Amino acid sequence: DAKTTQPPSMDCAEGRAANLPCNHSTISGNEYVYWYRQIHSQGPQYIIHGLKNNETNEMASLIITEDRKSSTLILPHATLRDTAVYYCIVRREYGNKLVFGAGTILRVKS
Amino acid sequence: NAGVTQTPKFQVLKTGQSMTLQCAQDMNHEYMSWYRQDPGMGLRLIHYSVGAGITDQGEVPNGYNVSRSTTEDFPLRLLSAAPSQTSVYFCASSWGPGQANNEQFFGPGTRLTVL
Repeated sequence: DAKTTQPPSMDCAEGRAANLPCNHSTISGNEYVYWYRQIHSQGPQYIIHGLKNNETNEMASLIITEDRKSSTLILPHATLRDTAVYYCIVRREYGNKLVFGAGTILRVKS
Repeated sequence: NAGVTQTPKFQVLKTGQSMTLQCAQDMNHEYMSWYRQDPGMGLRLIHYSVGAGITDQGEVPNGYNVSRSTTEDFPLRLLSAAPSQTSVYFCASSWGPGQANNEQFFGPGTRLTVL
């Protein structure tokens, strides 16, 4: 599975959009981009995933560049409860293993 | 649905002791796995199972055993605890590898300290 690179930390003002970048320049054609988050030592929580098209659900939007070498997770209106570690993971289409990096610590501030 | 449950929540062991961390899921998921998370780090895969009777090693399997006799349960055994195994342990489950959307559901974790 391709490796990912994320900034170690980011700050965001409450109510503003949080844009979390991820670089996955070695991604293969059958690999998906998954995002999970971990709030204060709880178990990780699935957010969203995508292959090449932009995706949106009730939690977030995922923007994947045309060459698929990078992506951005967007939390449209960040709240204090969105403070967490966000993990960008690249995984094969029908695989189950998740390889976690260090992630990005997102701090939402009032 | 209770989802993924783990017991105990906290455990303190002495070096050399053995114990079993329990994990159960009620979603009829085929795939289950165990991760450990050391302070300030991401999760690392210990062992996983793609169905009852089938297990395989992950990234850091040494010192741990698993078995999968039922779909619901996937216990993790520490054979002879060492201080290096002090960590938070997470169990996860999902649909099998044949499913394209393999969202994994994680349990709340077991915090283990080995003295």
